[in-house]
Amino acid sequence: GESVGLHLPTLSVQEGDNSIINCAYSNSASDYFIWYKQESGKGPQFIIDIRSNMDKRQGQRVTVLLNKTVKHLSLQIAATQPGDSAVYFCAEITDYKLSFGAGTTVTVRA
Amino acid sequence: GAGVSQSPSNKVTEKGKDVELRCDPISGHTALYWYRQSLGQGLEFLIYFQGNSAPDKSGLPSDRFSAERTGGSVSTLTIQRTQQEDSAVYLCASSVTPGEKLFFGSGTQLSVL
Repeated sequence: GESVGLHLPTLSVQEGDNSIINCAYSNSASDYFIWYKQESGKGPQFIIDIRSNMDKRQGQRVTVLLNKTVKHLSLQIAATQPGDSAVYFCAEITDYKLSFGAGTTVTVRA
Repeated sequence: GAGVSQSPSNKVTEKGKDVELRCDPISGHTALYWYRQSLGQGLEFLIYFQGNSAPDKSGLPSDRFSAERTGGSVSTLTIQRTQQEDSAVYLCASSVTPGEKLFFGSGTQLSVL
C-alpha cells in the first residue's frame, strides 16, 4: 500500500541552528498533512498542518513546505532548542485516516 | 481535562488474558480514533468513531479486538485473549472535524508476556 516516509531516520543539529526535516509521500490524492513531534513516553504532539492548496505555512518557529509536484514535505525549525529533541512524523490524511512512518529522530547538540 | 486522556498508561498482562484500554477525548470532539504504534514503527489505524455514525472498524487486526464509544464521549478498546504480538503502544486521538487536527493522548503501553 501507499505510505508516508521520511528521508533520514536521524538528524543531529547544533543548538541555535535551523533544522530541516524532510518527508516524501506517495499518495497523490492526499490533500492534507500534519507534522507531529513525539517525545519519549508521550503521544504525538500536533505541530502544524497544511492543505494541498498551499505551498507554505508558518507557525511559531516552524515552517512547513509542500511540493506537490514531487510529493515532498519539509518541516523547518528555526533556532533549534534542546527541547526540540524528539521524533518527528509527517502524517498524511486520506479521508479521515491518518498514516505516518517511523519518523526522524532529531537530536540537539549543546 | 485539556487534552486526550488515556488509561492505564502501562498495562502488563499474561498471554490469553483480556484487557480494556480507556480513552477520554477532548470535550466537544466528535471524532475519535484508535491507533497502534509498535516500537520504531509508524502508526497503524484501528478504528474510527464519528458522532452517532457506525464506526469504521476496517483497521482492527482480528476479531479479538473490539471497541465501543458510549454517549459519544469515552471509548474503550478491548483485546480478548491477548497475544504477544499485541504488545504495542495504543494511541487514542480526537478531533472536532473528521480527519483534521487530530490530537493524541499519551497512549497505553501494552506488554503481553
